[in-house]
Amino acid sequence: GAVVSQHPSWVICKSGTSVKIECRSLDFQATTMFWYRQFPKQSLMLMATSNEGSKATYEQGVEKDKFLINHASLTLSTLTVTSAHPEDSSFYICSARDFAGGHNEQFFGPGTRLTVL
Amino acid sequence: AQTVTQSQPEMSVQEAETVTLSCTYDTSESNYYLFWYKQPPSRQMILVIRQEAYKQQNATENRFSVNFQKAAKSFSLKISDSQLGDTAMYFCASKGNNAGNMLTFGGGTRLMVKP
Repeated sequence: GAVVSQHPSWVICKSGTSVKIECRSLDFQATTMFWYRQFPKQSLMLMATSNEGSKATYEQGVEKDKFLINHASLTLSTLTVTSAHPEDSSFYICSARDFAGGHNEQFFGPGTRLTVL
Repeated sequence: AQTVTQSQPEMSVQEAETVTLSCTYDTSESNYYLFWYKQPPSRQMILVIRQEAYKQQNATENRFSVNFQKAAKSFSLKISDSQLGDTAMYFCASKGNNAGNMLTFGGGTRLMVKP
């Protein structure tokens, strides 16, 4: 199956700083990537849909100026949490959609645990 | 719009026995896909099984099978011969057939397989 990586897997930062999380599709090209947030013992909440070469589409209630998404290439999307606060501490998961060969499946990265002190 | 509901927050099963996880959904799409994902303690999301709504035959993947009742909008997952490694969160999800449609997840069911 297709592989999606995330970096870093775990990050701790001080309140007020910015953190960048990378999502890469390693063996396929992904025109669309998705960013999710997951709190403990809860389901995945879609934050935004990222399309290569265009602006991301954010879900209602997600601050686009706080969660900056860039999808500059077919294999890389980044999520930057700006001016992070303790309430931003969460598990962030990306997924990438592979359209090659008629597939319409999303492949998930391993997630990034963000802790804001 | 799509909604997915999992009514069982937690379930447990004895090793080697069979367990069924429930899922109901609602969608306005004429064609759609349904999925079950597994999230073990590592938190890596793993696709367990996929069902295309226009296919009447229930999908199966080794010990995992679904009972897809389209009229009732029900999509349950049966795990046979449960193994300790099946302990995980299980999420039911739906997706419309259009390219832009994203996955909609249920709230999840925490499954514990007991030795």
